[in-house]
Amino acid sequence: EPEVTQTPSHQVTQMGQEVILRCVPISNHLYFYWYRQILGQKVEFLVSFYNNEISEKSEIFDDQFSVERPDGSNFTLKIRSTKLEDSAMYFCASSSQRGLRGLSGANVLTFGAGSRLTVL
Amino acid sequence: AQSVSQHNHHVILSEAASLELGCNYSYGGTVNLFWYVQYPGQHLQLLLKYFSGDPLVKGIKGFEAEFIKSKFSFNLRKPSVQWSDTAEYFCAVTTNNNDMRFGAGTRLTVKP
Repeated sequence: EPEVTQTPSHQVTQMGQEVILRCVPISNHLYFYWYRQILGQKVEFLVSFYNNEISEKSEIFDDQFSVERPDGSNFTLKIRSTKLEDSAMYFCASSSQRGLRGLSGANVLTFGAGSRLTVL
Repeated sequence: AQSVSQHNHHVILSEAASLELGCNYSYGGTVNLFWYVQYPGQHLQLLLKYFSGDPLVKGIKGFEAEFIKSKFSFNLRKPSVQWSDTAEYFCAVTTNNNDMRFGAGTRLTVKP
């Protein structure tokens, strides 16, 4: 079964450092997402991405965050200057459709295993 | 504000007990509804989904959920839980204007 893969599985960084989390979505999917889960808390939507631009972003996704798809396969999340409160599990997801459009089931998100970010 | 609410933060059951986890949403219009499960140390996996049609949806591992439009609810049920069902369960909603949003999750602990 196709998978979404994420690297690294765990990254430890110093506050103020830049971090890039990488994701390889399912190959025929067109919509890409980042979510985060602070330990013991809910899964929070960060951003969705389609056709090389952001489709939707949450209030969490401020100027410190950016996403890009540099080479047609990887989908990256960059945190420019990490803060302690950025420590979380970051999940990448992809889907072949977005919203309610498209074939039934096509907007189901497939998630990666997550990248745990620890900011010291 | 639009949201997804899961009222039970932590549920503890003995094996063979019946399970019902509540989920309510506040989005208007047409919604797609999902339950995802996160086993300890693992990533989110789809348990079941509702798009249209029969409001009683059957998923994997004996789980089912019922969409009650008038109550804006999509509760998850299982008639007899097993120790292996110990996990975190997340209700999620997608609308035409919003990407998938999750509830806070319900931690289920099943005692052997």
